[in-house]
Amino acid sequence: DAKTTQPPSMDCAEGRAANLPCNHSTISGNEYVYWYRQIHSQGPQYIIHGLKNNETNEMASLIITEDRKSSTLILPHATLRDTAVYYCIVRVYGGNKLVFGAGTILRVKS
Amino acid sequence: EPEVTQTPSHQVTQMGQEVILRCVPISNHLYFYWYRQILGQKVEFLVSFYNNEISEKSEIFDDQFSVERPDGSNFTLKIRSTKLEDSAMYFCASKPGWGGQPQHFGDGTRLSIL
Repeated sequence: DAKTTQPPSMDCAEGRAANLPCNHSTISGNEYVYWYRQIHSQGPQYIIHGLKNNETNEMASLIITEDRKSSTLILPHATLRDTAVYYCIVRVYGGNKLVFGAGTILRVKS
Repeated sequence: EPEVTQTPSHQVTQMGQEVILRCVPISNHLYFYWYRQILGQKVEFLVSFYNNEISEKSEIFDDQFSVERPDGSNFTLKIRSTKLEDSAMYFCASKPGWGGQPQHFGDGTRLSIL
């Protein structure tokens, strides 16, 4: 599975959009991009995933560049409860394990 | 919304003792996983399980570990002779089928070895 690079931390004002970048320049054509988050020591929570098209669900939007080498997770109106570690993970279609990196610590501030 | 449930939420065990961590995956999911997270470190893959057998395991998953699906709903992780370094959060996950579907995680069991 391709490696990902994320900034170690980001701050966001409450009510504003949080844009979390992820670089996956070695991604191959059959690899998906997944986003999870972890609040305190709770279990990783699935947010969204995509292959090449932009995706949106009730939690977030995922924007994948045309060359698929990077992506951005967008939380449209961040709240204090969105403070968490956000993980961008690339996994091959049909693959087994998820490989977690250090992620991005997002701090939402009032 | 269906969820993965894990019991107990916290387990305290003496070193050398056996411990069993329990998970109820989401109904109708076919793939099951265990991960662990030592305090302050990354989430690490331990093992995946499908069709009643291990499909992949990490180097962490040595002979002291075993997994089992004893019935149609539970998925267990057994640690035979616990060591201090086994102290960690253990997360169970499941996903519905092969392909691109995401894994869904439980809230974990905190294992403390004394």
